[in-house]
Amino acid sequence: EAQVTQNPRYLITVTGKKLTVTCSQNMNHEYMSWYRQDPGLGLRQIYYSMNVEVTDKGDVPEGYKVSRKEKRNFPLILESPSPNQTSLYFCASSFGGAGEKLFFGSGTQLSVL
Amino acid sequence: AQSVTQLGSHVSVSEGALVLLRCNYSSSVPPYLFWYVQYPNQGLQLLLKYTSAATLVKGINGFEAEFKKSETSFHLTKPSAHMSDAAEYFCAVSGNTGFQKLVFGTGTRLLVSP
Repeated sequence: EAQVTQNPRYLITVTGKKLTVTCSQNMNHEYMSWYRQDPGLGLRQIYYSMNVEVTDKGDVPEGYKVSRKEKRNFPLILESPSPNQTSLYFCASSFGGAGEKLFFGSGTQLSVL
Repeated sequence: AQSVTQLGSHVSVSEGALVLLRCNYSSSVPPYLFWYVQYPNQGLQLLLKYTSAATLVKGINGFEAEFKKSETSFHLTKPSAHMSDAAEYFCAVSGNTGFQKLVFGTGTRLLVSP
């Protein structure tokens, strides 16, 4: 089954404790992207990747890192999380970029205390 | 730069009534426009997409949207609402070349009453 898998589904952590949210897709998609969803703000793009070893900043990249060492994986790294990063995070992928149909993961609800 | 504005954070309709969700866009290049739907506790799913082939775009679950360049609008409609349509709907815009960013609106929650 074609899917985008994010883990974990829920995560509670404390300020400053490094964490990684994993994202994997099994559709051989070139394009992958991370979004955060906050009430009243919709989805905002954090980072995106056009292919292996090619990443670029979205609209809200501060405090986040990403890597794309393999085509299927696109982890989101918070090296020193802060409470303002409490949010619902989504990973998405597509075959041809942001202009094509995006396939979304089920989301990761992160709480930073 | 591209942006979308969704008018109304909440829209309430009765089952069987017309659904109209409004979206206006701003883009310096010919845009690709999208409507995505998010059901509770799920990721987003594509409803429909406009890529300049036709101004009236039909999507899944009976939804359609019309691209109006003169009004810079891309409103989503469905003739008859069903209880299962209750969800949050997002309009989004992308440039039409290469690996552009996708910019989402703030979303409209559709409530359907019996």
